[in-house]
Amino acid sequence: AQSVAQPEDQVNVAEGNPLTVKCTYSVSGNPYLFWYVQYPNRGLQFLLKYITGDNLVKGSYGFEAEFNKSQTSFHLKKPSALVSDSALYFCAVRDIPAAGNKLTFGGGTRVLVKP
Amino acid sequence: EAGVAQSPRYKIIEKRQSVAFWCNPISGHATLYWYQQILGQGPKLLIQFQNNGVVDDSQLPKDRFSAERLKGVDSTLKIQPAKLEDSAVYLCASSLRGDSYNEQFFGPGTRLTVL
Repeated sequence: AQSVAQPEDQVNVAEGNPLTVKCTYSVSGNPYLFWYVQYPNRGLQFLLKYITGDNLVKGSYGFEAEFNKSQTSFHLKKPSALVSDSALYFCAVRDIPAAGNKLTFGGGTRVLVKP
Repeated sequence: EAGVAQSPRYKIIEKRQSVAFWCNPISGHATLYWYQQILGQGPKLLIQFQNNGVVDDSQLPKDRFSAERLKGVDSTLKIQPAKLEDSAVYLCASSLRGDSYNEQFFGPGTRLTVL
């Protein structure tokens, strides 16, 4: 069965500092990996995904993520955090091939960027 | 391009009552998903439709939950009768196809409170 772990419930960072949100996964085959962000009272917004190819993936709003197969990780990063990046971040995985094509989400990490 | 629409945004009911949620996906998106997001957790897939057929409903509590997508466009999720543990945000999402690499686009969600 596929699973995702986000080991930190909350990450605090000062504005302008680098931001990292950690994600590790477990699959039986090869993964498709996704990051979503959720602002208060809004649905999830897609940030980026890893399907194949270059391990460093660039996405929306200056975010990027690095796929590391040996460490089964897909950490989200931003070189310089903004106060507006404060939100709830979810990592998600699909196992390939996966029965039912189901996307499994982690428990989420709350990011608080302080001015 | 209009996003995924959901209504109502908020609903408060008493246990054992019935409730229905509506979702209109992005135009042209063949795949529609319903998720349950309990406070402090990541979204959990309840049911996935491909056009008007069910692809995966393995995590749908079928004794009380039902969903339909009769014309392959909008969808309704119903709970009858509701329990206290059904209090959650119900998210609808859609994607162009059900392929593993397609990202999903989420609506704002319906926050259900069962008293």
